[in-house]
Amino acid sequence: DAMVIQNPRYQVTQFGKPVTLSCSQTLNHNVMYWYQQKSSQAPKLLFHYYDKDFNNEADTPDNFQSRRPNTSFCFLDIRSPGLGDAAMYLCASGQGVSGANVLTFGAGSRLTVL
Amino acid sequence: AQTVTQSQPEMSVQEAETVTLSCTYDTSENNYYLFWYKQPPSRQMILVIRQEAYKQQNATENRFSVNFQKAAKSFSLKISDSQLGDTAMYFCAFEMNRDDKIIFGKGTRLHILP
Repeated sequence: DAMVIQNPRYQVTQFGKPVTLSCSQTLNHNVMYWYQQKSSQAPKLLFHYYDKDFNNEADTPDNFQSRRPNTSFCFLDIRSPGLGDAAMYLCASGQGVSGANVLTFGAGSRLTVL
Repeated sequence: AQTVTQSQPEMSVQEAETVTLSCTYDTSENNYYLFWYKQPPSRQMILVIRQEAYKQQNATENRFSVNFQKAAKSFSLKISDSQLGDTAMYFCAFEMNRDDKIIFGKGTRLHILP
């Protein structure tokens, strides 16, 4: 089945130790998204790619970086995780045609920072 | 900037009852799209229903329907004949017509009681 796969599902890191979360999609979607989801808060858009075009949200900290080496894969790099970065990170993909842009989500990667 | 507000953090209803989840949004755009997504416990977020702002007719998907009031910027979700499997977090989301950014509300945690 076509889907969005996130790895790892659970990541534990130490304060300041870099971490990379990965996402792959088999839907051949143009757009890939990274959202940060904390308890009782709205999923917060960090950035998204339309194909190779990178769109960073103005309030996304510099500590967060992303790479999309090809259509199928997208990575979230957190260079120096702080305690406040502990969250669920959701990857999603979409066709990218506004209005028909139904998102398909992965199961999420839960990051714990010690 | 666009915002999405869900004023009901948590709701509980008995199985088979009808429940309505509220959502309001703020935008100066005229063309946009609205969505309800469902996130079951420990499972992926999936689309429930979507509405194009230029359509006056309210969207319906089986037991799920919306009440879209464009002038009031209101987009509520009605679940009829609720089932135990409807227990989930429900997120209201907004997308402008001219880009691929999708903004989410904080969510409503819905419990369907047996």
